[in-house]
Amino acid sequence: AQKITQTQPGMFVQEKEAVTLDCTYDTSDQSYGLFWYKQPSSGEMIFLIYQGSYDEQNATEGRYSLNFQKARKSANLVISASQLGDSAMYFCAMREGPGGGNKLTFGTGTQLKVEL
Amino acid sequence: GAVVSQHPSWVICKSGTSVKIECRSLDFQATTMFWYRQFPKQSLMLMATSNEGSKATYEQGVEKDKFLINHASLTLSTLTVTSAHPEDSSFYICSARDLGTVNEKLFFGSGTQLSVL
Repeated sequence: AQKITQTQPGMFVQEKEAVTLDCTYDTSDQSYGLFWYKQPSSGEMIFLIYQGSYDEQNATEGRYSLNFQKARKSANLVISASQLGDSAMYFCAMREGPGGGNKLTFGTGTQLKVEL
Repeated sequence: GAVVSQHPSWVICKSGTSVKIECRSLDFQATTMFWYRQFPKQSLMLMATSNEGSKATYEQGVEKDKFLINHASLTLSTLTVTSAHPEDSSFYICSARDLGTVNEKLFFGSGTQLSVL
C-alpha cells in the first residue's frame, strides 16, 4: 500500500487565488512527521512546511498552511494568494518514527501551474 | 538556513565509466545523509542511507556494489555510480538532516543530472 498518496497529478490556479494540494498518508506509528517540499524545474527540493503528529495546531509558514486532519490521515497544503513563482512540483512526504528508520517517503507529487 | 551542496550539477559520461557525486553539509554536521533517485516526472525514491563512519544502508533492490556510498566525515558523503550504463541515467539528489533544528528538517542538495551515453 502507498504510504503517501497525492491524487492530483496536476493543478491549475489563477494568480492571487488560494489552492489546496491534497495528501493522505498511511502509518501505524503514533509518532511521525509530515513535510511538504517544492521542486521547481531546476530540480532542487525546497522545504515548505512541517507538521508533527502530536502538534495540535495546524502548521503555518507565511502563505503556506497545512490542513492536518489526523483522524482522516490527511495533510493538505494550502497556498494562499498564489504567485506565478509558485508554479512547480509539490511533494508531500512522511517521516515515520525510529521503526521506520527516520527516512522520508515521498508521494508522487502534484504539478501546480499558476496562471495570470 | 542550513545549506547542502551537491556537485556536480550535471554530468555526461560514457557507458562503462564511473561517476562520483559529492554531497556536503556546509554549515552543520550530518551524521546521516540520504541519497535519492528521481526519474523524469516521478517521485523521489530513496536509494540508501549514508552513515558517518559506518556502512551505508541500502533500500531493497538497490545494488550496493553498483552504487558505492562513502561517508568519511560529518560533512561529506559521496555516491559513486560504478560501470555506469544508460539505464543509470537519472536525477540523483542527496539530503542531510540538521539535528540542530526543532523538527529535524531534511535539507536537500541541488541534485545531479546524470546522462550515460
